Amino acid sequence: EDQVTQSPEALRLQEGESSSLNCSYTVSGLRGLFWYRQDPGKGPEFLFTLYSAGEEKEKERLKATLTKKESFLHITAPKPEDSATYLCAVQASGTYKYIFGTGTRLKVLA
Amino acid sequence: GAVVSQHPSRVICKSGTSVKIECRSLDFQATTMFWYRQFPKKSLMLMATSNEGSKATYEQGVEKDKFLINHASLTLSTLTVTSAHPEDSSFYICSARLAGVQETQYFGPGTRLLVL
Repeated sequence: EDQVTQSPEALRLQEGESSSLNCSYTVSGLRGLFWYRQDPGKGPEFLFTLYSAGEEKEKERLKATLTKKESFLHITAPKPEDSATYLCAVQASGTYKYIFGTGTRLKVLA
Repeated sequence: GAVVSQHPSRVICKSGTSVKIECRSLDFQATTMFWYRQFPKKSLMLMATSNEGSKATYEQGVEKDKFLINHASLTLSTLTVTSAHPEDSSFYICSARLAGVQETQYFGPGTRLLVL
């Protein structure tokens, strides 16, 4: 069964304290892995798509990496405005549907 | 680019009434849209896949007669919660699939439904 697990569930960081969020997955043929940011009461905002092991993408303080079993979202020198829930989703081959993880709630303290 | 809107953003209704939620892709055409439901501090639960010009595909456990989906055009899908009850209160989010080499789902801002 296709599955996505994110850890940790919640993370508190001091401003400037870098860290990584994990997304482990099992899927029958990966078509794509997606990272989204969700603020309270809002819809998810697209961050990255990764397609193959070894791929990396960066945007400002965020960097996403992908292996055959997991993806990491690295946050470098975070700021309070980076506080949000970060969601990981995978898309299996042969389908348009996404399977979402339960998310990591990130809180960055000033 | 790739903006998806939802209307209304918030709705309060009485038990037994029906509520319609619209999802529009504003700057691209979407042959496929998705409807999700999200409970507090939980992840997104896919309810159904909406395909333009054809019947929606519902996930297991989702009542198709309760949650009516219509995808009448390449930019509009609607979700109607029929005979709503308090247990239908939730945050409903739609997404639209931007097709292409690097296809991605773009999400609307969500609709908060409260059934009294």
